[in-house]
Amino acid sequence: GESVGLHLPTLSVQEGDNSIINCAYSNSASDYFIWYKQESGKGPQFIIDIRSNMDKRQGQRVTVLLNKTVKHLSLQIAATQPGDSAVYFCAEHYGQNFVFGPGTRLSVLP
Amino acid sequence: DSGVTQTPKHLITATGQRVTLRCSPRSGDLSVYWYQQSLDQGLQFLIHYYNGEERAKGNILERFSAQQFPDLHSELNLSSLELGDSALYFCASSPSGDISYGYTFGSGTRLTVV
Repeated sequence: GESVGLHLPTLSVQEGDNSIINCAYSNSASDYFIWYKQESGKGPQFIIDIRSNMDKRQGQRVTVLLNKTVKHLSLQIAATQPGDSAVYFCAEHYGQNFVFGPGTRLSVLP
Repeated sequence: DSGVTQTPKHLITATGQRVTLRCSPRSGDLSVYWYQQSLDQGLQFLIHYYNGEERAKGNILERFSAQQFPDLHSELNLSSLELGDSALYFCASSPSGDISYGYTFGSGTRLTVV
């Protein structure tokens, strides 16, 4: 399928290692954040969310960390698998809609 | 399958033409959002409809318009198409007008203008 974001920053990790994807958001008034995963030829898929009154939230193999002081969000994927290869977007809820970051391409090496 | 249905999946058309993209939200969802995703850009918000009424507009060109029908499906109309309109167009839906609980995206329509 057509590739999204041909010039995106790329993170390459070895299968089984942990991955950390970072995102700087723009507005200190944003109150809700979501990480999405987009595989080639598909729409973005919800991974995990966090509200601004939290610093950390854990899901299955994924953890999101929020640092409001520096407006930074990170997604940690434990034991990265080939199926995790995709483009990852952070989105911040500000105003009446979500503003999406430019995305990071995660490439899992065998 | 996310439950959000977009048709067609692929569309190739010539410059100057007009096309209509269709979106059926998840069952029970009242809000529909349209996004454009170009090859070298992230997701750009176009417009939001809630229960038939326009709620918010983003970076939507005047050549583009949208509507949401009583059965809650939505159509995005793109006219006087230019090469730069080639992109993936995504529809997303949510249960209410409050998007604090995130969206569910469809698989998109890939528009190619030649």
